[in-house]
Order: sequence, then C-alpha cells, then structure tokens
Amino acid sequence: GAGVSQSPRYKVAKRGQDVALRCDPISGHVSLFWYQQALGQGPEFLTYFQNEAQLDKSGLPSDRFFAERPEGSVSTLKIQRTQQEDSAVYLCASRRGTGGHTGELFFGEGSRLTVL
Amino acid sequence: RKEVEQDPGPFNVPEGATVAFNCTYSNSASQSFFWYRQDCRKEPKLLMSVYSSGNEDGRFTAQLNRASQYISLLIRDSKLSDSATYLCVVNTPGDSGGSNYKLTFGKGTLLTVNP
Repeated sequence: GAGVSQSPRYKVAKRGQDVALRCDPISGHVSLFWYQQALGQGPEFLTYFQNEAQLDKSGLPSDRFFAERPEGSVSTLKIQRTQQEDSAVYLCASRRGTGGHTGELFFGEGSRLTVL
Repeated sequence: RKEVEQDPGPFNVPEGATVAFNCTYSNSASQSFFWYRQDCRKEPKLLMSVYSSGNEDGRFTAQLNRASQYISLLIRDSKLSDSATYLCVVNTPGDSGGSNYKLTFGKGTLLTVNP
C-alpha cells in the first residue's frame, strides 16, 4: 500500500519479555518518527531518524528502548524486559522532508502493546 | 509547563453548534503549527495547517497569535462526523543542532457531536 505500515497491530507480552515493533514508512520519505500514545493522552515523541541516522532519541523513556533504521527505510523499535508502564500504542510516522514545515506527517495505524 | 497545552475537554455539543478549541505553546522558537484529528482507535491525521494570517477550510477556521503563543480552531455548523479528538501540534526545535524537525502534540480535546 501507499501508506505507513506497522506490525504487529496488537501485541500482548508478559512482563520481562522483549518485543520488536516494525514500521514500513512511505517510500522516499526521509524523516521517520516513533511516538508513544498512552490512553487518553496525545502522542509523545520517542525518537527521530533522518534517513538511517538517528538524530534524536531524547524521548526514549529508558535504555530498555532501542530503535534502528539501518537502510534508511524500514525501522524497528525494540523494547527489552517490558514493564506494565510500557503498555501503550506505538505510532510510527514519516514525512517527505526534514523540517517541520516540509509537509504532512503520515502516521501508521500503530502497534498496541499490552504488557501483563 | 508542558510544551503544548490544550483545553482538557471533553466537549459535548449538539449538531449545528459552533465549537472552539484553544491551545498554547511554550517555545517561542516554534515555527509551524497544525491541527490534527484522531478518530477513536485510529491514527492522527492532518486536519489543517495554521498560518499567521489565519486560514479557513470550509467550516473550519484556524488562528495563530505568535505574540501570545496561542492557537485556535473553530468549527462551525458541527456535524456528527466531526466527533473525534482534536490535537494541537507545534513544530519545535529538536535536540539535534536546533533543526526544527520535531512535532510536539498536545494532549488532545475530545469532541462529541450529538444528534
């Protein structure tokens, strides 16, 4: 499809388990973002890639969170040793350009993570 | 203080009503401003950009006041299909070299339009 694709759509993990969430952005989009959205809250910034370079990871909550985009297209967000507070929807978004004025941010449908 | 603050809501209005959403932002270096809409259990989607001179798109009007760091969205003649969460979004300087790549979202305001 032409949009941002995320998988899995739903993930249930036991506390302590590692999870990996995948994002396939729109082809040719330079910028890729990961956001975390808790219930009743707006999306919170996690990390930003410009092509394969991770330019900003200031929003990652702890060193259990790791993201990569090795070839400048598909990205993976990995959460190690999941905790209950990690339960949220993880949204991936891509944009054609780099600056905030360079066009619309397109979101995937999100990966809903539930940690038991 | 949060970077982007919105009316907490929720708003419940009858069809045909006019409803206004307000938003303030803290970073005076912010350059671009948007309203996104998010339907229940769906992803956010761009509703409209907000320009300094104010802009209108059908029943929707957005205003920006840079001096007050204030953004608004007005919906006239509201429809049942307008029911959604409205997110105020501000382009803020990121942590990497001051480049303005980052979009910061408010918490959102839930609107329910009733028949």
